Amino acid sequence: KNQVEQSPQSLIILEGKNCTLQCNYTVSPFSNLRWYKQDTGRGPVSLTIMTFSENTKSNGRYTATLDADTKQSSLHITASQLSDSASYICVVREVFNAGNMLTFGGGTRLMVKP
Amino acid sequence: NAGVTQTPKFRVLKTGQSMTLLCAQDMNHEYMYWYRQDPGMGLRLIHYSVGEGTTAKGEVPDGYNVSRLKKQNFLLGLESAAPSQTSVYFCASSYRTGAVRETQYFGPGTRLLVL
Repeated sequence: KNQVEQSPQSLIILEGKNCTLQCNYTVSPFSNLRWYKQDTGRGPVSLTIMTFSENTKSNGRYTATLDADTKQSSLHITASQLSDSASYICVVREVFNAGNMLTFGGGTRLMVKP
Repeated sequence: NAGVTQTPKFRVLKTGQSMTLLCAQDMNHEYMYWYRQDPGMGLRLIHYSVGEGTTAKGEVPDGYNVSRLKKQNFLLGLESAAPSQTSVYFCASSYRTGAVRETQYFGPGTRLLVL
């Protein structure tokens, strides 16, 4: 069964610090990998999308990397802000997947403290 | 544009009661989805629709029914609610499958508690 595992489950950092979130997946064949941000009480919002041929993608202070050989991705947050407090979800799409179905990781809950 | 909206935001049901969750999108998207999100678990697909009048089962369809009578609306029904259906339900929509960078847009969620 396709799986997406994220670590750590939760993380607390001080405002202004950097952090890196990890994602390992077993989805194969692989089409693309996305990172979503989910604020408490809200729906997920897309941050980045990478295909198998891309190994890095940035969106402001968020930088996602992908190693398709080892099936690992990371999300690096630079100069964290209080508004970065949220859950970050790694999502993988399989090739030839009917209905655009996605496999979601359990998320990393990030808390940024002043 | 309002994007994807869901009603209600919160609901409490007794075991055995029925209810319908409504999802609406104003982006003219072909595809719509219903997910449930439980603590510590990733979102799981309940049902989805690839166009008006069509529906298909996802990963966890048991106990739920759906209808897509209009392109902009996707309804999720619980005929006889069970405590195991206590969850947060998210609706999402996207233009179509096949595009590598296709993004699903999510609604704000409906929190359901079944007693």
